[in-house]
Amino acid sequence: KNQVEQSPQSLIILEGKNCTLQCNYTVSPFSNLRWYKQDTGRGPVSLTIMTFSENTKSNGRYTATLDADTKQSSLHITASQLSDSASYICVVRGFGNDYKLSFGAGTTVTVRA
Amino acid sequence: GAGVSQTPSNKVTEKGKYVELRCDPISGHTALYWYRQSLGQGPEFLIYFQGTGAADDSGLPNDRFFAVRPEGSVSTLKIQRTERGDSAVYLCASSSGNGPYNEQFFGPGTRLTVL
Repeated sequence: KNQVEQSPQSLIILEGKNCTLQCNYTVSPFSNLRWYKQDTGRGPVSLTIMTFSENTKSNGRYTATLDADTKQSSLHITASQLSDSASYICVVRGFGNDYKLSFGAGTTVTVRA
Repeated sequence: GAGVSQTPSNKVTEKGKYVELRCDPISGHTALYWYRQSLGQGPEFLIYFQGTGAADDSGLPNDRFFAVRPEGSVSTLKIQRTERGDSAVYLCASSSGNGPYNEQFFGPGTRLTVL
């Protein structure tokens, strides 16, 4: 069973609108959580990293939140642009096997003009 | 500076053939990882190198899959007797270390199609 679940699977939004993506995980003990953006035909690129003590972190129009107690994270995209169309993948790293990442299946975001 | 590069970008082969996929990591990165990504899924771990040695190959699905990194830089993923189920995007990533906060930088992937 995947230890990282993302929702929704996909969404379509109009340019300029906001959206929020969800990530629930069961990885324990927890080290950190990253949100990656993967453009079509490209490798994933890290947007944010959060440790258990951080509740929110921003990178431009991207804001990630983390609730380590409920094991939930969200990625909020503000004032979406056409270039935000991509797959957004939640990736959780635990302790012990430091190099092994647990990947969600991703949320595909399509921004339309 | 140059990121992680992978060649070829696309590979089409016939069932039963042998293929090699190449990864050039970021210069100086000691850790290198191979992942496989099926359509609509997140990447799945295959193997991890620290330097020249495979520190963990537990993700390789069977003995048809093998990877090397002879000089601690470029790595090659080798697949023997390819099957249609091997069709996927194979991603390579590298990092400066294997600590929990070392970011893995991904290449663009090689899309393998087995006919």
